[in-house]
Amino acid sequence: DVKVTQSSRYLVKRTGEKVFLECVQDMDHENMFWYRQDPGLGLRLIYFSYDVKMKEKGDIPEGYSVSREKKERFSLILESASTNQTSMYLCASSSTGWRGTEAFFGQGTRLTVV
Amino acid sequence: AQTVTQSQPEMSVQEAETVTLSCTYDTSESDYYLFWYKQPPSRQMILVIRQEAYKQQNATENRFSVNFQKAAKSFSLKISDSQLGDAAMYFCASPGGTYKYIFGTGTRLKVLA
Repeated sequence: DVKVTQSSRYLVKRTGEKVFLECVQDMDHENMFWYRQDPGLGLRLIYFSYDVKMKEKGDIPEGYSVSREKKERFSLILESASTNQTSMYLCASSSTGWRGTEAFFGQGTRLTVV
Repeated sequence: AQTVTQSQPEMSVQEAETVTLSCTYDTSESDYYLFWYKQPPSRQMILVIRQEAYKQQNATENRFSVNFQKAAKSFSLKISDSQLGDAAMYFCASPGGTYKYIFGTGTRLKVLA
């Protein structure tokens, strides 16, 4: 069974803290994604990676960075958390080569910044 | 810009009835797939159905089918014989460039017993 696992379901952090969200996939997928999900705004792409150590900005990268040192792991970093980064964060992965390939999602991390 | 629009923030359907969720998209891709995903409450998002743009036949997966109108860039999801377990957020997605997907804002489906 394919799996994308996010390290935490719920997180509460203080303003100004550096926050790490971890995501691991066991499907040997080339592509990994971080999305932010907010009511009425759907899923917005923060960053994605198509290979180890490769990354590209998505639509809303400001205030975030990412790291992909190993193929199976993709980390999202909030350099200095702010209250407007309170949200649900979804990690996903997909394979390359077939345009019909689907994205597989983790269970999400609900982050609250206080 | 490549966009996906879901104009129904919320829909309700009686159990055993049929409901259609709407989606329109705009893409510059020439060979592409479209997707519907389901996100149950507090659970992982999963793929419901996908449609290849070059196929004229609408995709079907059990009680789920699509009405794909390529010229109109419309991709609606029909759920037949609705069940309580169908209650979820539904997201339409289209390609947003190499490797990427663009998602709509979602439609929350309520199933009434």
